[in-house]
Amino acid sequence: AQKITQTQPGMFVQEKEAVTLDCTYDTSDQSYGLFWYKQPSSGEMIFLIYQGSYDEQNATEGRYSLNFQKARKSANLVISASQLGDSAMYFCAMSPLTNSGYALNFGKGTSLLVTP
Amino acid sequence: GAVVSQHPSRVICKSGTSVKIECRSLDFQATTMFWYRQFPKKSLMLMATSNEGSKATYEQGVEKDKFLINHASLTLSTLTVTSAHPEDSSFYICSARVEDRGNSPLHFGNGTRLTVT
Repeated sequence: AQKITQTQPGMFVQEKEAVTLDCTYDTSDQSYGLFWYKQPSSGEMIFLIYQGSYDEQNATEGRYSLNFQKARKSANLVISASQLGDSAMYFCAMSPLTNSGYALNFGKGTSLLVTP
Repeated sequence: GAVVSQHPSRVICKSGTSVKIECRSLDFQATTMFWYRQFPKKSLMLMATSNEGSKATYEQGVEKDKFLINHASLTLSTLTVTSAHPEDSSFYICSARVEDRGNSPLHFGNGTRLTVT
């Protein structure tokens, strides 16, 4: 069984600042993947970044980076140089890598508001 | 990039009627599609895994006779909410992987907001 925990229901950040969204997880799988998604108020789910459990380097995608600490079972999302358009819900999710047919298991999400 | 199209985006129906939601992979084939449900300000909850050419796999607590899933082709899965009731009002969203491996991200449709009156 897998469990994703996002402890921050809501976060504020000022435009152009960096922000870290927390995600911790628990799993009995040896091999797993961690994903972050953004959900604007329109409802669409936008894939941001992926980190594999055996990846030695932290993933980066443009302004998004993933601070992966395997021993602590955390996979925090860092958004640099925040923009007003970053205001949205952010979900951390994971899936075992042992079977391609697995769905993603999502955390409860963090609502991010970027202020001018 | 990969596109998953979901239709309709919004639907209002009367209690007791059925509603069909379509999920299409537009530029790739998907042997597996996933259906999620999301209540306001809540997380996505997996309802079922749709498998092309075979029966769907439902999560515990999801009534398979109420939420009928048909995955008739490699690009189309449908979710039919039968005899809808107000408590079925929710946001339904489908997803699929471009590549059939676990480290490939799920691509989501834009979702369907169902309101049952």
